[in-house]
Amino acid sequence: KAGVTQTPRYLIKTRGQQVTLSCSPISGHRSVSWYQQTPGQGLQFLFEYFSETQRNKGNFPGRFSGRQFSNSRSEMNVSTLELGDSALYLCASSLVRASDSYEQYFGPGTRLTVT
Amino acid sequence: SQELEQSPQSLIVQEGKNLTINCTSSKTLYGLYWYKQKYGEGLIFLMMLQKGGEEKSHEKITAKLDEKKQQSSLHITASQPSHAGIYLCGEGNQFYFGTGTSLTVIP
Repeated sequence: KAGVTQTPRYLIKTRGQQVTLSCSPISGHRSVSWYQQTPGQGLQFLFEYFSETQRNKGNFPGRFSGRQFSNSRSEMNVSTLELGDSALYLCASSLVRASDSYEQYFGPGTRLTVT
Repeated sequence: SQELEQSPQSLIVQEGKNLTINCTSSKTLYGLYWYKQKYGEGLIFLMMLQKGGEEKSHEKITAKLDEKKQQSSLHITASQPSHAGIYLCGEGNQFYFGTGTSLTVIP
């Protein structure tokens, strides 16, 4: 069974630009969560999608948005990039809602560098 | 918000030694996850603990949840270089994760 895939793996953007990251969950998984990981703040929850609906949202500004498609694939968008958005963005999938205490399977992440 | 503090922040041990990593929550824990991360990569699920006093083991790794103390511990017996990485605890909803413990095992 294929694992969680994220594209692209590496990305360099300039301040003010916008970026879209993609996540393909494990086949059959309906929940996708997104996290931002930085050396200073650690792993921080962005949002959780289940059946194309955002179920939970972390404490991030509105510049961070996401969506989930009918095939459970998910995209995350960051508009007006800031230097502080440089991070490893991880997505994770689970069979049902991870927030209902189900183990998650993480992708390898997308390393975003904002210059 | 819930805060999860891990200790120690980093650990360097000789191969074969035992070690313990602790995760302490600022609020009552309703379940806890342990994940391992290789540097710059995704997290790998290790164990999920749901009840106070629950203890689970997988190979040489044992984790225990003490709800009264709002704490969980991860114990590795006879450490190996393959155990090296960053260990993270996460609360039951998986909205909050610990600060991480970096483990280096010297052959």
